[in-house]
Amino acid sequence: EVQLMESGGDLVQPGGSLRLSCAASGFPFSNYWMHWVRQVPGKGLERVANIKQDGREKYYVDSVKGRFTISRDNAKKSLFLEMNSLRVDDTGVYFCARGLSTSRFSPGAFWGQGTLVTVSS
Amino acid sequence: EIVLTQSPGTLSLSPGERATLSCRPSQSVASSFLAWYQQKPGQAPRLLIYDGSTRATGIPDRFSGSGSGTDFTLTISRLEPEDFAVYYCHQYGSPLWTFGLGTKVEIK
Repeated sequence: EVQLMESGGDLVQPGGSLRLSCAASGFPFSNYWMHWVRQVPGKGLERVANIKQDGREKYYVDSVKGRFTISRDNAKKSLFLEMNSLRVDDTGVYFCARGLSTSRFSPGAFWGQGTLVTVSS
Repeated sequence: EIVLTQSPGTLSLSPGERATLSCRPSQSVASSFLAWYQQKPGQAPRLLIYDGSTRATGIPDRFSGSGSGTDFTLTISRLEPEDFAVYYCHQYGSPLWTFGLGTKVEIK
């Protein structure tokens, strides 16, 4: 069974930092693109970042470029999101997701339960 | 970046009725790389339809997707009580995923 479990969400002040983790199990982690998607409570979904199987391609939404870094450890089957210079509008539930197939053109088919990041003074 | 416009914002219907949801990308979505999700409060999105019209594993056949290019539709043929939720469209034709703002299907 595919399982994704996020952790690391917390209450942090503007300008602060957090590191989110996503532990994967039940599938060959190194074969899949992985994604971070966030959702402001009561609002829609927004892709934050994604990373290729070998970690050599990474893409970010414009609003987090230069502040967030996505990475992965295939040996430990883990996905990470390093978040710096956090802003109030970074508040939301952060989901990690795996594509339906190993192709880069694959919708998010498996999602974790999400971890809440709250940026507030 | 491809912007996905969903309509209507809210759909008020009764159980047993047909629901028709629209998603219009700002530019053509390559090879119908468009998906639909259902999301209920406190839960992660659930994949319903991908590649424009293919039902994901375990999805009932009352859900169907159609369309191509810049005009896609999700149809729920007969609403069941568990279908009242928010529905999002999603394009994955590039690593720069985008999502629509959602259509809420509520009980009338």
